[in-house]
Amino acid sequence: QKEVEQNSGPLSVPEGAIASLNCTYSDRVSQSFFWYRQYSGKSPELIMSIYSNGDKEDGRFTAQLNKASQYVSLLIRDSQPSDSATYLCAVNPFYNTNAGKSTFGDGTTLTVKP
Amino acid sequence: IAGITQAPTSQILAAGRRMTLRCTQDMRHNAMYWYRQDLGLGLRLIHYSNTAGTTGKGEVPDGYSVSRANTDDFPLTLASAVPSQTSVYFCASSDGTLIPQFFGPGTRLTVL
Repeated sequence: QKEVEQNSGPLSVPEGAIASLNCTYSDRVSQSFFWYRQYSGKSPELIMSIYSNGDKEDGRFTAQLNKASQYVSLLIRDSQPSDSATYLCAVNPFYNTNAGKSTFGDGTTLTVKP
Repeated sequence: IAGITQAPTSQILAAGRRMTLRCTQDMRHNAMYWYRQDLGLGLRLIHYSNTAGTTGKGEVPDGYSVSRANTDDFPLTLASAVPSQTSVYFCASSDGTLIPQFFGPGTRLTVL
């Protein structure tokens, strides 16, 4: 079992719809969770971070964390063609004292169709 | 310089040659990382450094070496390149256990 698993995708949604990206992790003591967006041919960029159970909203993006279920998701409301990218989920383990040593999922590719 | 820079942007290299990928950050972050990204395999950690003077092995360290002489620079060396090292290489940095990482623009390396 991989430490961080994401829907393999690709995921396609129409413009204006809600895109839902899912991520599960195996290390129960993980403390911090991140979503990165990566456009084709570019480097990953951080779009959301979440540390506590519940929802965290930032503009059209909402991250949801459920530590009991070891599940983190990213919702994109009113999806735009410019949201078309690969989304990477990353998890930092609590017990690991190495600063910032995140484990990444393989990513889900999202296409928003006009 | 703003953030993380990497050089070269791309490189074609003959198998067996030695190559050093450069990475410099100006954020004074303690931790730096090298990842490779291959199609379908996501980001895989090669080596990391928690602070200047220390380094550690990641998930796929074989064939690569790093050094961290100072806070800003973290070069990655391929001693004798092989075709399986064809990949996109990203350098990243962070400061603190729960602070996310920031990435450089990447180096696209092709080994023939």
